[in-house]
Amino acid sequence: GENVEQHPSTLSVQEGDSAVIKCTYSDSASNYFPWYKQELGKGPQLIIDIRSNVGEKKDQRIAVTLNKTAKHFSLHITETQPEDSAVYFCAASSTGRRALTFGSGTRLQVQP
Amino acid sequence: DAGVIQSPRHEVTEMGQEVTLRCKPISGHNSLFWYRQTMMRGLELLIYFNNNVPIDDSGMPEDRFSAKMPNASFSTLKIQPSEPRDSAVYFCASTRGQNYGYTFGSGTRLTVV
Repeated sequence: GENVEQHPSTLSVQEGDSAVIKCTYSDSASNYFPWYKQELGKGPQLIIDIRSNVGEKKDQRIAVTLNKTAKHFSLHITETQPEDSAVYFCAASSTGRRALTFGSGTRLQVQP
Repeated sequence: DAGVIQSPRHEVTEMGQEVTLRCKPISGHNSLFWYRQTMMRGLELLIYFNNNVPIDDSGMPEDRFSAKMPNASFSTLKIQPSEPRDSAVYFCASTRGQNYGYTFGSGTRLTVV
């Protein structure tokens, strides 16, 4: 089955700095890669996703890049703000296996 | 849209008791997923349904766990008998298809004492 590894497990940045979270996946058939943000006491919330026919996608301060050859994808947050502090999860799925496999999560702390 | 609705939000029960968690997916979503979240194991898929039919239950830990989806607007996850190691947050999520994001509910925090 699919295995998704996520790094780092914790990340602390100063407000205004950029943050990068990286994930690798094992199943070459995976073709959908979403990122979720989870705040304390809440369910994960989709913040951005990318499909395998695209190398990069941006949405305001958030961007995701995908390298299918190397089987890794990354989340980039620019101009971080204290409200970006949360746990972020990457995930992957394929047409054959429709359920998402999640990474282990990254706890991002943005210091004011 | 009220989103994915889970109940109860919190459940405390004694070991050996039956526990039933409930989920109402978003109307029009045809896939429903049950995940369990713990510090040690992260987000684990327990089971998912497509058009009310269970597709993959390989993540269900053991026979004590069962899930049903009698119609498109309701699903249950049952643990009988419950054990302390079942303590976790259980999430339900739904989506309108593969390659679309999930919408998660707020979760049920289960504590088995």
